[in-house]
Amino acid sequence: QSVLTQPPSVSGAPGQRVTISCTGSSSNIGAAYDVHWYQHLPGKAPKLLIYTNSNRPSGVPDRFSGSKSGTSASLAITGLQAEDEADYYCQSYDSSLSGWVFGGGTKLTVL
Amino acid sequence: QLQLQESGPGLVKPSETLSLTCTVSGGSISSVSYYWGWIRQSPGKGLEWIGTIYYSGSTYYNPSLKSRVTISVDTSKNRFSLNLSSVTAADTAVYYCARQTKGMTVAGSYFDYWGQGSQVTVSS
Repeated sequence: QSVLTQPPSVSGAPGQRVTISCTGSSSNIGAAYDVHWYQHLPGKAPKLLIYTNSNRPSGVPDRFSGSKSGTSASLAITGLQAEDEADYYCQSYDSSLSGWVFGGGTKLTVL
Repeated sequence: QLQLQESGPGLVKPSETLSLTCTVSGGSISSVSYYWGWIRQSPGKGLEWIGTIYYSGSTYYNPSLKSRVTISVDTSKNRFSLNLSSVTAADTAVYYCARQTKGMTVAGSYFDYWGQGSQVTVSS
C-alpha cells in the first residue's frame, strides 16, 4: 500500500485527453515536496516524463503535462496515441518515512 | 550519453544474500550533482525505492528494507552495489539502478537515467 494513491487504471480513445491523479498527504506532497512522473512500458526501463511537478525533460512531447496542488498532483496526456499505452507512476519524498516513494501505478489503456 | 548496467546472479537461494552491481558509463559517479539509487518491481506490483547512495558514501534506505540492505560505492570503478540479505520469495523482482538528480533539495530529487533492469528470482 503506497503512501501516494493513484487510480489502478484509466482509459481513453485516440486523440482524447486523460488525467492521472496522485494523492498524497501532509508528509509528502502536502509538505511541498516535488512530484515527478514516469512512464513504464513492459520489459523496458522506466522513463522520466515530468520532473519537479511540471517540467518536461528534453524529448518528451508537450502532450504530457504535470501539475500539483495541495496534497495532490496530476499528469495530463492530450492527443492520446496508441504508443502512450503504458504504466504511469508518480514519485515524491515522504518525511515520515524519510525516503522517496512511488505511487502504486496507473495502467493507461488506449481504446 | 549516460548508461547504467546492472549485473549479478539471476537466481538466489532463500536466506542468502542478493548482490547486484550497477556500472555507470558516459559520466562520473563522483559528480556532486547526483545520487545513485536502487529501485525494484516485484511481479504484478509497482515500483519500490530500495535505497540511495552519494559518491561520498552517504546512504539512505527504505525503512521497510533497512535492516537487510547495504549499498556501497566504488568511485575508482565508477560503480555502486546493492546487497540484500536474508532474501525470501518476496524479494523476487526486477531490480533497477538509476541516477538520482537533485532538485532544489535532495528530497526533491528524481530518477532520470535508468538501467535496463536485472531479473532476480529467489528460489531453492
